[in-house]
Amino acid sequence: ILNVEQSPQSLHVQEGDSTNFTCSFPSSNFYALHWYRWETAKSPEALFVMTLNGDEKKKGRISATLNTKEGYSYLYIKGSQPEDSATYLCAFSNAGNMLTFGGGTRLMVKP
Amino acid sequence: DTAVSQTPKYLVTQMGNDKSIKCEQNLGHDTMYWYKQDSKKFLKIMFSYNNKELIINETVPNRFSPKSPDKAHLNLHINSLELGDSAVYFCASSQGVSYNEQFFGPGTRLTVL
Repeated sequence: ILNVEQSPQSLHVQEGDSTNFTCSFPSSNFYALHWYRWETAKSPEALFVMTLNGDEKKKGRISATLNTKEGYSYLYIKGSQPEDSATYLCAFSNAGNMLTFGGGTRLMVKP
Repeated sequence: DTAVSQTPKYLVTQMGNDKSIKCEQNLGHDTMYWYKQDSKKFLKIMFSYNNKELIINETVPNRFSPKSPDKAHLNLHINSLELGDSAVYFCASSQGVSYNEQFFGPGTRLTVL
């Protein structure tokens, strides 16, 4: 059983605040780390897939970093907006096609 | 155009019945998946299917079986439904293995009475 843990479980911020969450995963046999954004009543949508230690990816106000040696990834959101409210999932792969998802961080941005 | 579609969206059935959920992707992907969203809202992988190779999560009961008539479809068959099978089931697809993002369907909410 692979442990993929995300913290915090939930987060309330004010519009304009910057925030970040953590995903920790096993550091052995690493293949890839995925981040997904999951809005209520919709399906998860991919944000990033990272494969190399030290990878940094950015999409608009959202960015992510990866440390495969210590087994963690951070997701950052700069200047949070109400439309950023969603659950952010990370998923880890150590072989083949199977992803193990974390429990998610539920972000609520108040206007 | 919907990239990954599932039917039905809702399925209500009695315990003991056999049911299927269909999944189709029009992205030309070679790998498809089924996930179960459990009662704690976790997404758990059930199956991965790529080029006729099926990878099964060992925790999935053998009452669940995926069937792929062609590369664009991966249907989920469930025999002898149990109350604990009630959940939301998501289909997904990707190109190649775990280095590429997965595209998810809208989910099918299964309720077993």
